[in-house]
Amino acid sequence: QKEVEQNSGPLSVPEGAIASLNCTYSDRGSQSFFWYRQYSGKSPELIMFIYSNGDKEDGRFTAQLNKASQYVSLLIRDSQPSDSATYLCAVSAGGTSYGKLTFGQGTILTVHP
Amino acid sequence: DTAVSQTPKYLVTQMGNDKSIKCEQNLGHDTMYWYKQDSKKFLKIMFSYNNKELIINETVPNRFSPKSPDKAHLNLHINSLELGDSAVYFCASSQDFGPQPQHFGDGTRLSIL
Repeated sequence: QKEVEQNSGPLSVPEGAIASLNCTYSDRGSQSFFWYRQYSGKSPELIMFIYSNGDKEDGRFTAQLNKASQYVSLLIRDSQPSDSATYLCAVSAGGTSYGKLTFGQGTILTVHP
Repeated sequence: DTAVSQTPKYLVTQMGNDKSIKCEQNLGHDTMYWYKQDSKKFLKIMFSYNNKELIINETVPNRFSPKSPDKAHLNLHINSLELGDSAVYFCASSQDFGPQPQHFGDGTRLSIL
């Protein structure tokens, strides 16, 4: 089982729709969860982080965390063509490796006009 | 001003050569990282330094040697380059070693001929 697994893409949504990106992780001691966006040929850019169970909203983005189910998701409301990118889920390990980020394989999102 | 800067941006070289990639951050962060992103876009941690001290050393061939002259700089030297080393190498930094957001440089695309 992969340590961090994201829903297989690519994901295609129409402009204005809600895009839902999912991520599961295997280390039950994981502490913190991050969503990065990476445009083609560019570096990963942090868009959200969440530490506690529940929802965290920032503009059009909502991160949802359920530690019991070892599941974290990212919702993008009112999707725009400029949201088209690869979205990377990253999980910070527990224990002595708590500063180490493990990334998922990424989900490619395409928002079409 | 670029927060995390890497040089060079592109590196094309022959198998067997030795090369270095430099990274500097002006964010005042204590912790720096090297990641490798392969052709499938999978991003994997290689090394991390906190205040010039090596704290993460993943299973990486010993041809790869990081060096941190001070906490604002983390360089990566690669000996005897192999075809499999072709990838994009990203430098990143965070406030300190913990479940912190990490800020990435623009990457160095290494191509081995």
